[in-house]
Formats: sequence, C-alpha cells, structure tokens
Amino acid sequence: DVKVTQSSRYLVKRTGEKVFLECVQDMDHENMFWYRQDPGLGLRLIYFSYDVKMKEKGDIPEGYSVSREKKERFSLILESASTNQTSMYLCASSWYETQYFGPGTRLLVL
Amino acid sequence: TQLLEQSPQFLSIQEGENLTVYCNSSSVFSSLQWYRQEPGEGPVLLVTVVTGGEVKKLKRLTFQFGDARKDSSLHITAAQPGDTGLYLCAGARVTSGSRLTFGEGTQLTVNP
Repeated sequence: DVKVTQSSRYLVKRTGEKVFLECVQDMDHENMFWYRQDPGLGLRLIYFSYDVKMKEKGDIPEGYSVSREKKERFSLILESASTNQTSMYLCASSWYETQYFGPGTRLLVL
Repeated sequence: TQLLEQSPQFLSIQEGENLTVYCNSSSVFSSLQWYRQEPGEGPVLLVTVVTGGEVKKLKRLTFQFGDARKDSSLHITAAQPGDTGLYLCAGARVTSGSRLTFGEGTQLTVNP
C-alpha cells in the first residue's frame, strides 16, 4: 500500500527559528512535492523534486528551501520562520500524474 | 491567476440530497483528478479522467470530463454524512510534467 509519512502532525515554533519538515515515501517515486494549504487559497506548490539532488521552485518558494539527498526523503526547510508561514504543509510523491499525499503538518509560528 | 475555478466554495446539504461540484478552466488539461480531503488528513485520490467526454462512476459519485478537456464536474447522488469533506480538482498539462494545478476546493457538509 502506498505510504507517505511526515515527521510531525503538529509543530509550534517561534519567529526566527529554523524549521525542518521531513517527508518519506516508500513507493520508489521519482517526483516529490511540498505544498502549503491555506483557507481560501487552496494548495500552493512551494518546491518539487524530480530526482535525487534535483529541485525546482514552485509558485511560492520565498522563505523556503528543500533538500533531497535520498530518493525516499524530501525535506522542507524554513530558514527563519515567520508568522506568515503558519499553515498546513503537505508533502506528496507521484507516479506519473497521480499524487499521493502525506497526512500534513500543521505549523504554528508564534 | 487561478487556472482552475471550483464552485461552489461551500455547500451544506441534508442527507439524501443530490449535489454537483464544478471545476472550470480556460486551459486544456491532459487529465483531471478529483481528490477528497478529510479534516487533519492529506487529500486522497478519488478518480482520474483523461478523455474528453469521459464519465466515471464510483458508487454514488459520478465524474465527468468536458468534451474540450477544460472542465469537469462531480455529482453525488443521495449524499450521506460520510461524504463530508473538502473536494479538490487538479489538472495536469503536458507542458507541466508531473505538476498539478489545484482548484481552491469545495467544502461539503452533509447534515444527518
């Protein structure tokens, strides 16, 4: 069965902290994605990766970076967390056009 | 610019009623997917439609892809409280690889 896991379901951080969100998939998928989801704005793509060590900016990459050292793991980094980064973060991996999502991390930045 | 417009944004109905959710665009998509997301969880794929005019049924849910592959609809017959959730449409384009464009979602509440 397809599985995408995210390191935390809930996270509370302070402004200025460096935040790491981790995502692991067990399906040997090439492509992985990070989105944020906000009411009224839908899912917005932050970064995606189509291979190990490869990454591309999505629609809203500012304030974020990513790392993909191994095929199964895709990390999202908030270099210096700000209150406007409070959101639900969703990771996904894909087989062709079908995306499989993790359960999400709800991040609160105080 | 929102490439996929979903309507309505919110829908609250009684158990047993029928409903339709629409997903519209001025762009052509190679395929269109529908996901359902429950509170505190990630979206889960319901169906993928790839051919213009295609109709797919999943129990009480009927999905249709427009002839021109620019729009889609989701119709639920005799809605049940278990259908409550956020419904998202997502389109794929040949030029975008595996990237999807998501609609804003329709929050459906089915009251018992």
